[in-house]
Amino acid sequence: GENVEQHPSTLSVQEGDSAVIKCTYSDSASNYFPWYKQELGKRPQLIIDIRSNVGEKKDQRIAVTLNKTAKHFSLHITETQPEDSAVYFCAASYAGGTSYGKLTFGQGTILTVHP
Amino acid sequence: DGGITQSPKYLFRKEGQNVTLSCEQNLNHDAMYWYRQDPGQGLRLIYYSQIVNDFQKGDIAEGYSVSREKKESFPLTVTSAQKNPTAFYLCASIGGRFFGPGTRLTVL
Repeated sequence: GENVEQHPSTLSVQEGDSAVIKCTYSDSASNYFPWYKQELGKRPQLIIDIRSNVGEKKDQRIAVTLNKTAKHFSLHITETQPEDSAVYFCAASYAGGTSYGKLTFGQGTILTVHP
Repeated sequence: DGGITQSPKYLFRKEGQNVTLSCEQNLNHDAMYWYRQDPGQGLRLIYYSQIVNDFQKGDIAEGYSVSREKKESFPLTVTSAQKNPTAFYLCASIGGRFFGPGTRLTVL
């Protein structure tokens, strides 16, 4: 089955700096890679996702890049703010058309943004 | 208000007791999923259902059971065979694009 590794496990940055979280996956059939933000005691929220037919996707201060050959993808947050502090998870699955398969999650990264 | 609802928010179980966690959705989604989250860890798949009256085991199905009699509902039963059930349980649809608010289960 799929295996997703996520690094680093903790990340501390100063407000305004950039933050990068990296994930690798093992199953070459995976083609859908979402990222989630989870605040303490809350549900995970999908913040950005990418399919394997594109190499990069941006949404304001957040971007995700995918290297399908190397089987890794990364989350980039620019101009970090204290409210970005949370746990971030990557995940991988196979998606076909409008259907999405079961997700395999990384272990999570605790991001702390210091004012 | 569309979405996924879970109840109860908090649940306490005694040793040897079965408990059922509710998950309801009004999104008209076919696929529904149950994940377990332990403190400081990622989410692990317990069971999933792609269509009514059909479901498959995930990575950690032992000690759990589900049913899918209606498209809107996907309840999870934590049986006494699950030896360490204390965790945060999350229901999701469409592979995880939509999550419910979760149920926090504690064994007394």
